[in-house]
Amino acid sequence: SQQGEEDPQALSIQEGENATMNCSYKTSINNLQWYRQNSGRGLVHLILIRSNEREKHSGRLRVTLDTSKKSSSLLITASRAADTASYFCATDANDYKLSFGAGTTVTVRA
Amino acid sequence: DAGVIQSPRHEVTEMGQEVTLRCKPISGHDYLFWYRQTMMRGLELLIYFNNNVPIDDSGMPEDRFSAKMPNASFSTLKIQPSEPRDSAVYFCASSYLYSGNTIYFGEGSWLTVV
Repeated sequence: SQQGEEDPQALSIQEGENATMNCSYKTSINNLQWYRQNSGRGLVHLILIRSNEREKHSGRLRVTLDTSKKSSSLLITASRAADTASYFCATDANDYKLSFGAGTTVTVRA
Repeated sequence: DAGVIQSPRHEVTEMGQEVTLRCKPISGHDYLFWYRQTMMRGLELLIYFNNNVPIDDSGMPEDRFSAKMPNASFSTLKIQPSEPRDSAVYFCASSYLYSGNTIYFGEGSWLTVV
């Protein structure tokens, strides 16, 4: 079963704009991760944020985590055509099982 | 590093046939995962191994599915007999205990059962 749910399901933006997507989850977590999947490829890890962290940056990525609301957001700044992909949040509880959301499909228009 | 290697990348088979998907995890990784991805159900964890031992197979859909990990560098996922509803992308992934639970995916095996 899917623990995380991303919102929106799909997002279309112009190159150079920012893209924001959200993830909500149901149970307590150890950490939350974001992955990217390009069409026809495997998932690639982007960033991990621990339950005791509130914000994390990596290049053009900014992730926030609000454990009181059980939600996270991923912001991609100054988007590029190469950012066109599906983005998934993944959570783990107290074992080694990652549960993935349904994903947000991002299309960056040139 | 070569990454997680899966084979075959694409397979088309007839209903009732046996399908074997193969995976070579990243060297040194002690966890191996098999996921299935479909449009309807998204990414589902089928089974995972730790140090070659199956830890949780609660995601395996039915007895037609089986997975083995005979050594640290090889795993198989077998479907026998295959059915059209098994058509999906099957991903193998691996991780290292101290990598913060980050997992590394292969490129997937695209299975079509006709």
